[in-house]
Amino acid sequence: EAQVTQNPRYLITVTGKKLTVTCSQNMNHEYMSWYRQDPGLGLRQIYYSMNVEVTDKGDVPEGYKVSRKEKRNFPLILESPSPNQTSLYFCASSLSILAAPYEQYFGPGTRLTVT
Amino acid sequence: AQSVTQPDIHITVSEGASLELRCNYSYGATPYLFWYVQSPGQGLQLLLKYFSGDTLVQGIKGFEAEFKRSQSSFNLRKPSVHWSDAAEYFCAVATANAGGTSYGKLTFGQGTILTVHP
Repeated sequence: EAQVTQNPRYLITVTGKKLTVTCSQNMNHEYMSWYRQDPGLGLRQIYYSMNVEVTDKGDVPEGYKVSRKEKRNFPLILESPSPNQTSLYFCASSLSILAAPYEQYFGPGTRLTVT
Repeated sequence: AQSVTQPDIHITVSEGASLELRCNYSYGATPYLFWYVQSPGQGLQLLLKYFSGDTLVQGIKGFEAEFKRSQSSFNLRKPSVHWSDAAEYFCAVATANAGGTSYGKLTFGQGTILTVHP
């Protein structure tokens, strides 16, 4: 089954404790992206990757790191989480963002709470 | 910097009524525009997109949108709303990165919650 998986789905952590949210897709997609969703703010892009070893900043990259060493994986790293990073995080992938089939496939989301 | 504004936070319509959700964007170059829908607890699903050509684009589930460059708008419409259309709708614009080498940067609007009354 074609899908984007994220782990963990729920995480409660404390300020300053490094964490990684994994994202994996099995569709051989070139494009992958991370978003955070906060009430009233919509989705805001954190980082995206056009292909392996190619990453770029979205609108809210501060406090986050990513890497794209393999095509299927795009982990999101919070080196020193802070309470303002409490949010719902989505990973998405697409064959190519501007070429057919255009569709971004979204993971189920990771709800992160930083206390 | 690019931005997307959805002026209506919440819209309520009756089932069978027509619908228009507004979206305004700010971007200096040619925009690549999208509408997504999100059902509660779910990820986003692409409804339609505009890249170039005909300014009226058709999407899934009976939705359409019209690109108006002069008004910097990309409004979403549906002639007759169904109860299953109740969801949150997001407009988004894809823009170039700082080097102009890719168009993977996506900026979303704040979203419009649609409630459908029977």
